[in-house]
Amino acid sequence: EVQLLESGGGLVQPGGSLRLSCAASGFSVSDYDMHWVRQATGKGLEWVSVIGIAGDTYYPDSVKGRFTVSRESAKNSLFLQMNSLTAGDTAVYYCARANSGSYFDSWGQGTLVTVSS
Amino acid sequence: QLVLTQSPSASASLGASVKLTCTLSSGHSSYAIAWHRQQPEKGPRYLMKVNTDGSHIKEDGIPDRLSGSSSGAERYLTISSLQSEDEADYYCQTWGTGIVAFGGGTKLTVV
Repeated sequence: EVQLLESGGGLVQPGGSLRLSCAASGFSVSDYDMHWVRQATGKGLEWVSVIGIAGDTYYPDSVKGRFTVSRESAKNSLFLQMNSLTAGDTAVYYCARANSGSYFDSWGQGTLVTVSS
Repeated sequence: QLVLTQSPSASASLGASVKLTCTLSSGHSSYAIAWHRQQPEKGPRYLMKVNTDGSHIKEDGIPDRLSGSSSGAERYLTISSLQSEDEADYYCQTWGTGIVAFGGGTKLTVV
C-alpha cells in the first residue's frame, strides 16, 4: 500500500527556516517525480516544488530561491527546506507522488506550517 | 500561461446528478487533467485522469457513479446518484515540463 507521511511542520518566526519531511512506503521515491503542494486556510491548492526521477527540480516564482526540494533514497523520504519564511508561506504542506510524471495519484495527510511572530 | 478555471461553487440534491467543469487556458486545449476530491478537514484524494478524447483512468475504489469526459478545452467530472459523502471541494490539476497547475476548486454542496 502506498503511503506518504509528512512531518516537521510547526510555528516559525518570519525570516526563519524549517525543514519538512515526507516518509514514503509502498514504493521508492527515486522511481517517481515527487511534489510538494500547499494550501492556506480556506484557499485552494498551490504547487510548491517537484524533484524528478533524474533529480531535476522546479519551483514556481513564489518560492524560487527560498525553497529547496531533495530526497534521500536510503530513508525513502522527500524533504523541503524552506528559508526566509513569510506569513504568506503559512499553509498545510502536502507531499504527493506523480504517476508517470503527470497526475498526482497519491497524497499525504499534510503538515501545518505557521509563520508568525 | 497554463491556467485552469473552475466555478467556485455548485449545488445539487441528494440522489441527483451534477457535472463539474474545468476549463484549460487558450493554447492548452490538448492537455489531460486529473480530478481530486478534498473532503472537509482531510487531504486531497486522486479520483481520475481525464484525457483529451474523454477517456478516463479512475483510482481503484472510485465508484462507477463518478465519470469523466471532455469537450474541446473543457474537462468534466460527472457525479450521479449524489450522496452526502460527495459534499467536498473538487480540484482539477494539469502539468507540463517543470510546471503544475491547479484550478481554484469547486465547492460542491449536496442539499
